[in-house]
Amino acid sequence: RKEVEQDPGPFNVPEGATVAFNCTYSNSASQSFFWYRQDCRKEPKLLMSVYSSGNEDGRFTAQLNRASQYISLLIRDSKLSDSATYLCVVIPTTSGTYKYIFGTGTRLKVLA
Amino acid sequence: DTEVTQTPKHLVMGMTNKKSLKCEQHMGHRAMYWYKQKAKKPPELMFVYSYEKLSINESVPSRFSPECPNSSLLNLHLHALQPEDSALYLCASSQDPGLSNQPQHFGDGTRLSIL
Repeated sequence: RKEVEQDPGPFNVPEGATVAFNCTYSNSASQSFFWYRQDCRKEPKLLMSVYSSGNEDGRFTAQLNRASQYISLLIRDSKLSDSATYLCVVIPTTSGTYKYIFGTGTRLKVLA
Repeated sequence: DTEVTQTPKHLVMGMTNKKSLKCEQHMGHRAMYWYKQKAKKPPELMFVYSYEKLSINESVPSRFSPECPNSSLLNLHLHALQPEDSALYLCASSQDPGLSNQPQHFGDGTRLSIL
């Protein structure tokens, strides 16, 4: 089993739709979780960190489910500009490590 | 604007050339990273420097040689590369790895093509 897994998609959704992605992780000791977005031929950009209580930033909501070992990203009212690859990143131990484990990414296409 | 600056943006080199990629950050971050990314794949970790010391080398071939001259700078020296080394090379930095929930910040990368 991979350490971090994502559905590669693509998810094709109409503008204005709500879409959700999940990301599962295998190490139950993982403590830090992030969502990045990456546009074609660009660098990954931090979208949001994921906190235990869940967090929201505008149209984006991230949640953590420790019991089932997954994090989720919900995008409401999708815009054309949301089209990108969304990467889930996990730090698999509590501290003193420098390894950020990337999922394979989920491609989102928002259609006009 | 990215807070991690990489140069050059694009590099084309022959298999016998020697070149260097440069990365700079002024956020006071103590960990710096090199990643290699192929199309439609996630970034693949190459090297990690923590407090200016090499802490992780992910079995990278010796034709890639990292260097950390000071806490703000990270170089990647290239020599005798192969065509399969063509990729996007990303530099990243993060605060103190001893703290939890510290995200990485990426530069916009160097797109490398080996002829």
